[in-house]
Amino acid sequence: AQRVTQPEKLLSVFKGAPVELKCNYSYSGSPELFWYVQYSRQRLQLLLRHISRESIKGFTADLNKGETSFHLKKPFAQEEDSAMYYCALMRVEYGNKLVFGAGTILRVKS
Amino acid sequence: DAGVTQSPTHLIKTRGQQVTLRCSPKSGHDTVSWYQQALGQGPQFIFQYYEEEERQRGNFPDRFSGHQFPNYSSELNVNALLLGDSALYLCASSSGTGVADTQYFGPGTRLTVL
Repeated sequence: AQRVTQPEKLLSVFKGAPVELKCNYSYSGSPELFWYVQYSRQRLQLLLRHISRESIKGFTADLNKGETSFHLKKPFAQEEDSAMYYCALMRVEYGNKLVFGAGTILRVKS
Repeated sequence: DAGVTQSPTHLIKTRGQQVTLRCSPKSGHDTVSWYQQALGQGPQFIFQYYEEEERQRGNFPDRFSGHQFPNYSSELNVNALLLGDSALYLCASSSGTGVADTQYFGPGTRLTVL
């Protein structure tokens, strides 16, 4: 069965420090991977997806099929990056359902 | 475009009761998916509707059922409520025109079962 693991419940960094939110997945096929973000009192929204290879708000994520990882990175954290981040996998051959990790709270301290 | 909307915002029910949650998709979207998010966990897929039919289902009992209307809006029904059904219920819509369509989420309905 497919699974998404986010090993850290909470990641606390200082403003200006690099950020790496870890995501590992288990899936035998070709996954579509996403990062969703939820800011305080806002709805869950798409941050980026690996297929688009975009950099959104300074965040990037590279799919590493050998390590089955899709870590989210940003070189310099900003206070407004504080939020809950979810990694998600989509099994396209079985429809478009998303399988989410448990999420990581990112706290950026000034 | 208001995006995905859900109603009601909050709901309190007692065990054994039945509940109906509603979702209107983003303009131009025809596919609706429902997720359950328990406290401290990521969303879990319940089912997905496309062209008024259930296209996919997650690992949820038959007490969870749904419907999609011709205007693409959707309802989630839960019968014989249990305490464990207390959660945030999220609706997501997508265009359904291809594979791996991005899903856009609504604000959710917070269900509390007493």
